[in-house]
Amino acid sequence: GEDVEQSLFLSVREGDSSVINCTYTDSSSTYLYWYKQEPGAGLQLLTYIFSNMDMKQDQRLTVLLNKKDKHLSLRIADTQTGDSAIYFCAESTVTGGGNKLTFGTGTQLKVEL
Amino acid sequence: DSGVTQTPKHLITATGQRVTLRCSPRSGDLSVYWYQQSLDQGLQFLIQYYNGEERAKGNILERFSAQQFPDLHSELNLSSLELGDSALYFCASSVAAGGLTDTQYFGPGTRLTVL
Repeated sequence: GEDVEQSLFLSVREGDSSVINCTYTDSSSTYLYWYKQEPGAGLQLLTYIFSNMDMKQDQRLTVLLNKKDKHLSLRIADTQTGDSAIYFCAESTVTGGGNKLTFGTGTQLKVEL
Repeated sequence: DSGVTQTPKHLITATGQRVTLRCSPRSGDLSVYWYQQSLDQGLQFLIQYYNGEERAKGNILERFSAQQFPDLHSELNLSSLELGDSALYFCASSVAAGGLTDTQYFGPGTRLTVL
């Protein structure tokens, strides 16, 4: 079955880089997503990567994937106070005739001045 | 703004009652997904509809049901509500039936409080 794990908290100083880690268990090819949830808001799609890729960069965001270890990370360069939020990684899996996202517990990122 | 709308934003009701949550997908999207976010269970997939038909089912209780209408909006019906049903309910939509590449875009959620 699918299981996605994340550390719960991360605190960084403004201007530093943040690295949020995630591990997943599904051994089949899959897409892996990062979503951001600000207080009282919905889930905002940040980026995604296919499991046969090693890296994807999108402006301040870099996703690294170690397929052998099933380890995914999201690096945010030059972290700003507006980046404070909960970050979820999610694994896309086919189920029945459709698909679903299996989410990790979420990592709360706190950016301090 | 993802383009997915959900109403109402907040809902407060009593145990034993029934409520209906509504979702309108992004323009052009044919699939609608429902997720529940609670403190103890995290984000859990409930159910997916594609073009009016149920496509995939997750950890959805028998007291809960959903449907997708010809105009593609969807409703999630929760009945015989219990305190533990208090949660944030998200709707998401995607273009297709749900292959691995079918990215899901989420609405702002409906916060349900059962007293």
